[in-house]
Amino acid sequence: DSGVTQTPKHLITATGQRVTLRCSPRSGDLSVYWYQQSLDQGLQFLIQYYNGEERAKGNILERFSAQQFPDLHSELNLSSLELGDSALYFCASSVGPTGGEQYFGPGTRLTVT
Amino acid sequence: GESVGLHLPTLSVQEGDNSIINCAYSNSASDYFIWYKQESGKGPQFIIDIRSNMDKRQGQRVTVLLNKTVKHLSLQIAATQPGDSAVYFCAENIEATGNTPLVFGKGTRLSVIA
Repeated sequence: DSGVTQTPKHLITATGQRVTLRCSPRSGDLSVYWYQQSLDQGLQFLIQYYNGEERAKGNILERFSAQQFPDLHSELNLSSLELGDSALYFCASSVGPTGGEQYFGPGTRLTVT
Repeated sequence: GESVGLHLPTLSVQEGDNSIINCAYSNSASDYFIWYKQESGKGPQFIIDIRSNMDKRQGQRVTVLLNKTVKHLSLQIAATQPGDSAVYFCAENIEATGNTPLVFGKGTRLSVIA
């Protein structure tokens, strides 16, 4: 158990809908990272927050957004969902702001039908 | 469990043999490297890391070798066990600038034959 929690574990929704994925980092970690993992793309970095502020942005679509709250948990919002958004979404956390040793949560499996 | 990367390169080894998983990284400026293990249905798990001022680092049953000249990283697993079956990812980062995310490789599936 990495200490990072993610909810929900599974999510099934229709195209055009909006969903919110939630992540709680390890105790003491200030950075939260979001990744998308699809069968043919591997792990793709989406966005990082450090102590409430956006720190780095990767291949995140404009339809996606995230935020980190004062209690350091983070939410990833996915809107106008398309079939191609079906994937595993992982959250990871680390102590500091650099992209070093990260601890991953169990992931949320999103299926868009 | 979830199936990750159906078209990943696969390494099959006999239980008890040593495994070597290779990774070519992309950025010559990268100075920090990590190996992750991902079992079916789980998130990636940190195995071992190495910084660019080293060329070898050992952990428990694992060794990471770094060759900066050819931008190559390898993970050696000694006495491979069935529990080592997983997808292994290398990741690179420019720690010196403190502002770049980890970039993950495509992964290699290790299959241990009992």
